[in-house]
Amino acid sequence: KAGVTQTPRYLIKTRGQQVTLSCSPISGHRSVSWYQQTPGQGLQFLFEYFSETQRNKGNFPGRFSGRQFSNSRSEMNVSTLELGDSALYLCASSLGTGSEQYFGPGTRLTVT
Amino acid sequence: AQSVAQPEDQVNVAEGNPLTVKCTYSVSGNPYLFWYVQYPNRGLQFLLKYITGDNLVKGSYGFEAEFNKSQTSFHLKKPSALVSDSALYFCAVRDMNTNAGKSTFGDGTTLTVKP
Repeated sequence: KAGVTQTPRYLIKTRGQQVTLSCSPISGHRSVSWYQQTPGQGLQFLFEYFSETQRNKGNFPGRFSGRQFSNSRSEMNVSTLELGDSALYLCASSLGTGSEQYFGPGTRLTVT
Repeated sequence: AQSVAQPEDQVNVAEGNPLTVKCTYSVSGNPYLFWYVQYPNRGLQFLLKYITGDNLVKGSYGFEAEFNKSQTSFHLKKPSALVSDSALYFCAVRDMNTNAGKSTFGDGTTLTVKP
């Protein structure tokens, strides 16, 4: 099976812009989670979608949003970018709650 | 609220020696527990998990972990470390009863195995 894919892999944006990141899960996986990884904060949970419904949300401002499509592909959007949003954004898919997560390679976002 | 603590930022061991990477957790319900590894320039990979049953779980690359409910711990172990085990290790927890889809990760422990 193909693994989790994320596009784009690298992105450079300017403060105030918005960005959309895409994630394609492993075939058959209905749960998709997003994480922000930074050297100082580790892995921070953004949100989790299951069958197009957001089941959980982390402690991030409303500028961070996401959605999941009927084919389980997911997107996350960050509006009004700030310098502090520079990070590696990881997507992970799984079969369900008790299942392990499979991570994509991440999107490296740099905000200047 | 659920949380995970990895008390050691760094663990150094000699090749061939046993290794332990510590993890303690806090959840209000019953936990699902996971270990992941991140090699340099590679993505996070699943190592092993505890859902229910035997407290000692075995995973990939010879790693194992022991679930201890009374101490709320889930330490990762390997009897004989390899230089290739050097990586960043993350412990993660999910609460089975609430926030079932939310995984909370520890801050990570860098394991360095010296020849």
